[in-house]
Amino acid sequence: DADVTQTPRNRITKTGKRIMLECSQTKGHDRMYWYRQDPGLGLRLIYYSFDVKDINKGEISDGYSVSRQAQAKFSLSLESAIPNQTALYFCATSDDRASSYNEQFFGPGTRLTVL
Amino acid sequence: GDSVTQMEGPVTLSEEAFLTINCTYTATGYPSLFWYVQYPGEGLQLLLKATKADDKGSNKGFEATYRKETTSFHLEKGSVQVSDSAVYFCAPGGPDKLIFGTGTRLQVFP
Repeated sequence: DADVTQTPRNRITKTGKRIMLECSQTKGHDRMYWYRQDPGLGLRLIYYSFDVKDINKGEISDGYSVSRQAQAKFSLSLESAIPNQTALYFCATSDDRASSYNEQFFGPGTRLTVL
Repeated sequence: GDSVTQMEGPVTLSEEAFLTINCTYTATGYPSLFWYVQYPGEGLQLLLKATKADDKGSNKGFEATYRKETTSFHLEKGSVQVSDSAVYFCAPGGPDKLIFGTGTRLQVFP
């Protein structure tokens, strides 16, 4: 099945370390997104990309960077992790041809803990 | 800016009870409206959607109607099941992105 996968699924790291979260998709979608989920705050958009050459900041991009290596791959990096970046991170994709409907398909999430 | 407000949870119901989860939004123009569901340990998945005023989205017994006059998109189900226990997110969306509500946790007991 066409799918959205995220690696790793769980990660514990220490303050100041560099961390990369990876997302791959086999849906053939052009658009990809990174969100973080925190209890009581819902999902907040970190970065999004509409194609390989397009990167856009979301609501909470400070402290994060992204790389769109190919249509199918979108990585999120924390250059120097801090404890308040402890959260559940989701990657999502959507089909540009149906962009007016904005139906997004989510990966299973990466649980990141920064000590 | 665009925003969405949904009722706080948790919502606790007995099996076969009626469910309503309220959602109101503010947005420029007329967005498409979505409900997403997150089952324990999983990512979000689309539950239903409506793309214009008075449209009714439905799926798995859930329904929601796009009410332009009240800027609302309340989720309803006539008879909930234990398997409906999850977190539900309302999300208005423009052409570029979705705005997610804070989520409402539903707990259904036998």
